[in-house]
Amino acid sequence: GENVEQHPSTLSVQEGDSAVIKCTYSDSASNYFPWYKQELGKRPQLIIDIRSNVGEKKDQRIAVTLNKTAKHFSLHITETQPEDSAVYFCAAVGSNAGGTSYGKLTFGQGTILTVHP
Amino acid sequence: GAGVSQSPSNKVTEKGKDVELRCDPISGHTALYWYRQRLGQGLEFLIYFQGNSAPDKSGLPSDRFSAERTGESVSTLTIQRTQQEDSAVYLCASSLRVSTGATYEQYFGPGTRLTVT
Repeated sequence: GENVEQHPSTLSVQEGDSAVIKCTYSDSASNYFPWYKQELGKRPQLIIDIRSNVGEKKDQRIAVTLNKTAKHFSLHITETQPEDSAVYFCAAVGSNAGGTSYGKLTFGQGTILTVHP
Repeated sequence: GAGVSQSPSNKVTEKGKDVELRCDPISGHTALYWYRQRLGQGLEFLIYFQGNSAPDKSGLPSDRFSAERTGESVSTLTIQRTQQEDSAVYLCASSLRVSTGATYEQYFGPGTRLTVT
């Protein structure tokens, strides 16, 4: 099955700085990599995703890059703002023992991002 | 339209009791997932439904856990003889039908916070 490792576990930046969160995955068959933002006590919200047929995707201040060869992908947030403070989770679609993917997401352990004003 | 909803939002139960958690997916979403999130940790996959069949139950932690789904609508997750280690937030997500080579975005409900005393 899939295994996803996420680093760092905590990240503290000043407002306006950039933040980068990195994840590695183990299943070379994985083809979908979403990022979720979770504020305290709230549901995870999809903020950006990338599929294996592209190397980079950008949406305003948020970008994701994917290196399929190295099996890692990263979230980049530029010009951070205090409201970006939250827990961020990366995920990769996993397959079962038979190698079939049902869209099951395997999540990283999360990164607590704190943006100081 | 409405997002994924879950009930109850909070549930406190005594050890050994059975609990039933409910999920209403987004209308038209035939794929439904249950995840568990322990305090300060990432999300763990429990079970996946496509329509009312469950082709992947690999994440259910023990035979005390079961789930069912009526048609392409409501799903219930049942935990029998609850234990303290079952305390967590149980999250439901739904997406469009999963098909070969295609993975669709999963949208999460607000979760049910289960506390076993």
